[in-house]
Amino acid sequence: EDKVVQSPLSLVVHEGDTVTLNCSYEVTNFRSLLWYKQEKKAPTFLFMLTSSGIEKKSGRLSSILDKKELFSILNITATQTGDSAVYLCAVGPKAAGNKLTFGGGTRVLVKP
Amino acid sequence: EAGVAQSPRYKIIEKRQSVAFWCNPISGHATLYWYQQILGQGPKLLIQFQNNGVVDDSQLPKDRFSAERLKGVDSTLKIQPAKLEDSAVYLCASSSIRDTGEGGYTFGSGTRLTVV
Repeated sequence: EDKVVQSPLSLVVHEGDTVTLNCSYEVTNFRSLLWYKQEKKAPTFLFMLTSSGIEKKSGRLSSILDKKELFSILNITATQTGDSAVYLCAVGPKAAGNKLTFGGGTRVLVKP
Repeated sequence: EAGVAQSPRYKIIEKRQSVAFWCNPISGHATLYWYQQILGQGPKLLIQFQNNGVVDDSQLPKDRFSAERLKGVDSTLKIQPAKLEDSAVYLCASSSIRDTGEGGYTFGSGTRLTVV
């Protein structure tokens, strides 16, 4: 059975801090790892990672994948209160169909 | 491009009642998914359709949950009878193997179900 574990479960930081979120996985036929931000109901897409060691960046967010050690990290620098959300990690199989297996999420609270 | 549409946005029902959710995927997306997200957890796949056929329903509680996708477009998810533990957000998503951006996935805004 595919398994995705995120850590920490939650964290509280102050504006300007840097946070690092972890995602480890055990899946058969790995194809991609995706990060989502969930503020209310619908997850919004952040990154899709398929290759090891290639950092993806979008503004203050960045992410990298290690396919040998089976984990990914999501970094947020210079955090803002708008970064407060649940961050979800999901992995997809190699076969077409793109069924995703999600981790339990990390809840981030950024205080002013 | 219109997104994935879901309705209703919120629903409150009493236990043992029935409820139905509706999803309209992105035009041309052959694959449609229903996920259940219980508070404090990540989404869990309930059922996956490819066109109007079921690909994976291994985690669907078939004694009370049912889903259909008539004509390979819209889909409905039904719960009958509902239990307290069914309280969750029900997310619909669609994807196309031709879409490589964003993992090919688009989520709807979800339906928040509260069973009292």
